[in-house]
Formats: sequence, C-alpha cells, structure tokens
Amino acid sequence: QSVLTQPPSVSAAPGQKVTISCSGSSSNIGNKYVSWYQQLPGTAPKLLIYENNKRPSGIPDRFSGSKSGTSATLGITGLQTGDEADYYCGTWDSSLSAGVFGGGTKLTVL
Amino acid sequence: QITLKESGPTLVKPTETLTLTCTFSGFSLSTSGVGVGWIRQPPGKALEWLALIYWDDDKRYSPSLKSRLTVTKDTSKNQVVLIITNMDPVDTATYYCAHRRSSTWDFWGQGTPVTVSS
Repeated sequence: QSVLTQPPSVSAAPGQKVTISCSGSSSNIGNKYVSWYQQLPGTAPKLLIYENNKRPSGIPDRFSGSKSGTSATLGITGLQTGDEADYYCGTWDSSLSAGVFGGGTKLTVL
Repeated sequence: QITLKESGPTLVKPTETLTLTCTFSGFSLSTSGVGVGWIRQPPGKALEWLALIYWDDDKRYSPSLKSRLTVTKDTSKNQVVLIITNMDPVDTATYYCAHRRSSTWDFWGQGTPVTVSS
C-alpha cells in the first residue's frame, strides 16, 4: 500500500493528451515538492519533473507537472508510442521523515 | 556527468545479510545539500524508498525497515554502502541507488537484482 495514490493504468491514442494523478496528504504533497519519474520497460526510473513543475534539461515540453493542495498531476501531450512506460510520483513525507512514492501508473498508447 | 552504479551479490539466502555498494562519479558527497539514497523495486511492483545519507552524514531510513538497514558513506572512495540484515524472500527486488538534490532523485543507477532464496 503506497503512501501516494495513483491510478493503476491510463491509456490514450497517439497524438492525444493524458493526465496522471497523484494523491497524498498534508504531510507529503501538501507541503513538499513533487517529482515524476518515467520507467521504460526493463530500465531504471528517469526524472521527468521536479519541484512540482520543472523539467530537467533534455525533457521535452510535452511533459508538464502541476500541484494543487494535496494532489499533483503529470500531463503528457502529443502522445507517442515511445511514451509507453510506468510513471511514478514521489516526494518526502515530513511525518514519516521518509521518501515516498506512488504505486505507479502504466501508460498505454493505443 | 553524474553516474551511479550498484554492485553486490545477486543471490542471498534467507536470514543472511545483504551488502550493496553504490559507486558514483561526477559529484562529491561532501558537497552541501547532496545525498545518495536507495530505492528498491520487487518484480512487477512499485518503487519503495529505503534509505538516504546526506553530505553531512545525516541518515534517514524507511520506518518499516529501519531496524534492518544501515547506510554509510566513504567520501574518499565515492561510495555509499547499504546493509540489510535478516534477508527474506520478500526482499527479492532490483535495488537502485540515486543521487538526491533539490528534493528529488535526479540521477539513478542501472539497478542490481537481488534474489533471496535457499
């Protein structure tokens, strides 16, 4: 049971837009930065979004992040088949004094 | 360019102690604000954070595993070591180390698979 809650799966057609939600609480998302990670099959996670909405260099602007209250959202526009992956949200929990992740969302590009 | 690489045994027996080493380059663990952490992923399951050590030797552990975890650093060797005692088959997973800065895990190692079986 992950501390952060994500939908198990989402799907959309190539070229479309999809959003992935991440729900937490006041001790984590509510007062900490949220990051998003992409994990392609058989590979290590890769940072997509940090500090709620910032993209590391090399990450296309098709990927965006936002946060409101105790929830965060990852948006992906112009979907490509290469975007098929598992996506994880992550942050710090001040009550647990521990890192936390969501359960992951599998994106299928139909 | 920051890189990290995990190393350690691929197979351990139940009740044994697992020692994993993260060897990194491209940064110093004596730089203010920098940390190295460990995250694991059981087959087909989600990421699970385990431990974090900061540049000033401050350490954080997963509450559910705290009694079994020890993380240390050797700044001169650019290494971080994670020790997990009393291994169990449920600890079978790929173990990742990652660089932490600005409240995020910005660089990850490739991961090392560990199977716990007699």
